[in-house]
Order: sequence, then structure tokens, then C-alpha cells
Amino acid sequence: KQEVTQIPAALSVPEGENLVLNCSFTDSAIYNLQWFRQDPGKGLTSLLLIQSSQREQTSGRLNASLDKSSGRSTLYIAASQPGDSATYLCAVRHASNTGKLIFGQGTTLQVKP
Amino acid sequence: GAVVSQHPSWVICKSGTSVKIECRSLDFQATTMFWYRQFPKQSLMLMATSNEGSKATYEQGVEKDKFLINHASLTLSTLTVTSAHPEDSSFYICSARDNRQSYEQYFGPGTRLTVT
Repeated sequence: KQEVTQIPAALSVPEGENLVLNCSFTDSAIYNLQWFRQDPGKGLTSLLLIQSSQREQTSGRLNASLDKSSGRSTLYIAASQPGDSATYLCAVRHASNTGKLIFGQGTTLQVKP
Repeated sequence: GAVVSQHPSWVICKSGTSVKIECRSLDFQATTMFWYRQFPKQSLMLMATSNEGSKATYEQGVEKDKFLINHASLTLSTLTVTSAHPEDSSFYICSARDNRQSYEQYFGPGTRLTVT
């Protein structure tokens, strides 16, 4: 059974810092991995999607890496801003493009001005 | 990008009553819709998957007679929580995709259900 774990559960940093969020999964037979942002009481916004054959994806100040063999992904946020404060969720899609999305518990990030 | 809406955004109901939540794909046809539940400070848990015109497939531990899902059209799915109890209070999020175009899922803004 696929399990997704995110560390740390919460993180507080001063504005301007670079930071790394971690995601690990137990079954390497994934189709893709996706990072989402969730603001309090809101739905999910997709940030980055990495296919299983890819090593990383970049969008603006965000960079996500994937090491499928070791079951790990990281989300790197450069030059953090207070507007980055949110919960970041990692999700893996198992095996095929119709597989289920399995979510981690999320990392709640607070960026202090 | 593709937009998914939910209605209502929040609802309060009394214990024992039923409440219906709507999920709509606004600018695409959703061949598959997903319903998730999220408890405070926890992650999203998939409740069920529904394909248009077919019965929903429920995840283990989810009572299909309590959480009625209808996906009668390519743009609308509904989740009805029957005989709601306080423990059903949660954040319900739907997601949709068009399998004929791509397999990316688009998420709705969620519905906060409080059962008193």
C-alpha cells in the first residue's frame, strides 16, 4: 500500500530564505508526482507535476525534484515571501495515468515578514 | 486552466438531516469526478470515484448508503450526505478530469460541512 509522508509538518522561516520541503513515498511504482498548494479553508492549486521519467520541474521560484528509486521528492522555494504561506501537499499517482492520487499530510509553511 | 466549482462553499445542518453538495466543471467535460474528505490538519482522503453515467466506486471504509454520489452529466456530480452526524463534519473537495483530453485532475474550492 502506497504511503506518502511529508516532513516537516510545519515550518516557519523569515522572509527571503530559501527552503526545502520533503516528500517520501513507499512504493516507487508511481506514474507521476504532484505538488499542490492549499490556502486555509480553500481547495488545491497545482504547482508542479513531475512525470516518473523526469528528474525535476521548475516554475518561477519553485523547483521540484524527483528520485523515484529512493522514493523521494523535494520542493525548493527560493527567496520566500509572506504570500508563500500556505500548506503544501505532495501527491503521487500510482502506476498508471488512471491511478489514484495518494496525498501526504502536508507541510504548513509560514513566512514571516 | 480548467475550473471546477462547488456549491455551497459552506453549510451548517442539524444532525439527522441530509445535505447535498454540487460539483461542476465549468469549462470542460468531466468524464471522471472524485470526492475527497479532509479533516482539520489532515490530508485529503479519497472517498469515491465516479464516471459519468455509471455508479460510483467507493473506497474501503466509506459507506455508500451514507454518501450518495450521482454523476448524471459530464459537468455535474453531487454528493449527498444522508442522516448527517457531527462526525461527518469535514471539508469536502471534489476533483474532475476529462480522460479523453488528459489525466490531470482539477480541484474544486471545497465545501465546509458542519453538523450540529
